[in-house]
Amino acid sequence: KQEVTQIPAALSVPEGENLVLNCSFTDSAIYNLQWFRQDPGKGLTSLLLIQSSQREQTSGRLNASLDKSSGRSTLYIAASQPGDSATYLCAAPQGGSEKLVFGKGTKLTVNP
Amino acid sequence: DTAVSQTPKYLVTQMGNDKSIKCEQNLGHDTMYWYKQDSKKFLKIMFSYNNKELIINETVPNRFSPKSPDKAHLNLHINSLELGDSAVYFCAIGGIDSPLHFGNGTRLTVT
Repeated sequence: KQEVTQIPAALSVPEGENLVLNCSFTDSAIYNLQWFRQDPGKGLTSLLLIQSSQREQTSGRLNASLDKSSGRSTLYIAASQPGDSATYLCAAPQGGSEKLVFGKGTKLTVNP
Repeated sequence: DTAVSQTPKYLVTQMGNDKSIKCEQNLGHDTMYWYKQDSKKFLKIMFSYNNKELIINETVPNRFSPKSPDKAHLNLHINSLELGDSAVYFCAIGGIDSPLHFGNGTRLTVT
């Protein structure tokens, strides 16, 4: 059974700082891993999808890495801005199924 | 144009009532999902439909029944609502190798 853990649960940083969010998963037989962002009262927005054959994926100031062997993924946010404040969730599939298992998220606050 | 739209956005109802939440997608994906986000913000899959067929059915009370009239719609019917059903319900679409697209959610409050 897939279990996804995110650390830290909450993070507060000053604007401009680079930061790393961590995600670990127990079942490494995954075909991909996804990172999402959720703003209050909104649905989830897909940020990055990393295929199992990739080690990292980049989109703008965001970079996600994947290490299947250790069961870890990180989301790196460069030069953080107040608009980055949100909850960030990672999700990994259970076995080879389409069932995505989500972590509980990291609530990020970027202070101006 | 919104890829995944849910209605209603808010739903307040009394215990014992039956209610439905509608979901429509315009991206042409074959697979649609229902997720539940509880008060602690934990997101968990409920159902998955692929081309109008039920694929995933988690341990959800049988008071919850998904219905897919066509590939673009997946509605969620809930019978005999209970207090514990209060949560935010999200519809999502995607494929096995594509990002998941979520609707904005339906906040259900059972009083």
